[in-house]
Amino acid sequence: SQTIHQWPATLVQPVGSPLSLECTVEGTSNPNLYWYRQAAGRGLQLLFYSVGIGQISSEVPQNLSASRPQDRQFILSSKKLLLSDSGFYLCAWSVGTGSSFFGQGTRLTVV
Amino acid sequence: GNSVTQMEGPVTLSEEAFLTINCTYTATGYPSLFWYVQYPGEGLQLLLKATKADDKGSNKGFEATYRKETTSFHLEKGSVQVSDSAVYFCALSLNSGYSTLTFGKGTMLLVSP
Repeated sequence: SQTIHQWPATLVQPVGSPLSLECTVEGTSNPNLYWYRQAAGRGLQLLFYSVGIGQISSEVPQNLSASRPQDRQFILSSKKLLLSDSGFYLCAWSVGTGSSFFGQGTRLTVV
Repeated sequence: GNSVTQMEGPVTLSEEAFLTINCTYTATGYPSLFWYVQYPGEGLQLLLKATKADDKGSNKGFEATYRKETTSFHLEKGSVQVSDSAVYFCALSLNSGYSTLTFGKGTMLLVSP
């Protein structure tokens, strides 16, 4: 069966520090991968999606970037965090146009 | 553009009460519709889905019917339990080779014993 791992579960980082969140999927090949953010008062917002290695599409201009170095690995990064980057980050996967399945999320607090 | 509108919460019910959470959508194409549930501190879990008009998705006693004429996908459950307390998200996806989701803002459900 397919599983998705996301880490860390919680993170407190100072303003201006770098960020790296990692997501890996097991049990499937060539998944589509997604990063969403859930911020207070702003609902769930798609940040990036990827349909293959090295292919990244950005939905919202922001202080973040994403990379997909391997088929089942998706990384969310920032060079310098802002207070507004605080939120709950969710990684998800799907195959083709099928349903998306989510990881457990990372709670990021920028202080 | 695409959007999903859900009723504001929180919805507060007593155990065994009937639940309805309204969801309407606007889409530039013919979307698939989903309900996801989020328990405190956790990620989202797919609750049910429907991919075409008049389809009924169902799971764990929850149901929702894809109504194209009213662009709606209301979530219902005949008898809620305390364990159903969570945030419920309605979402749509336009099938285009991948499944980016557009979410509603979520509705918190609180069920008391």
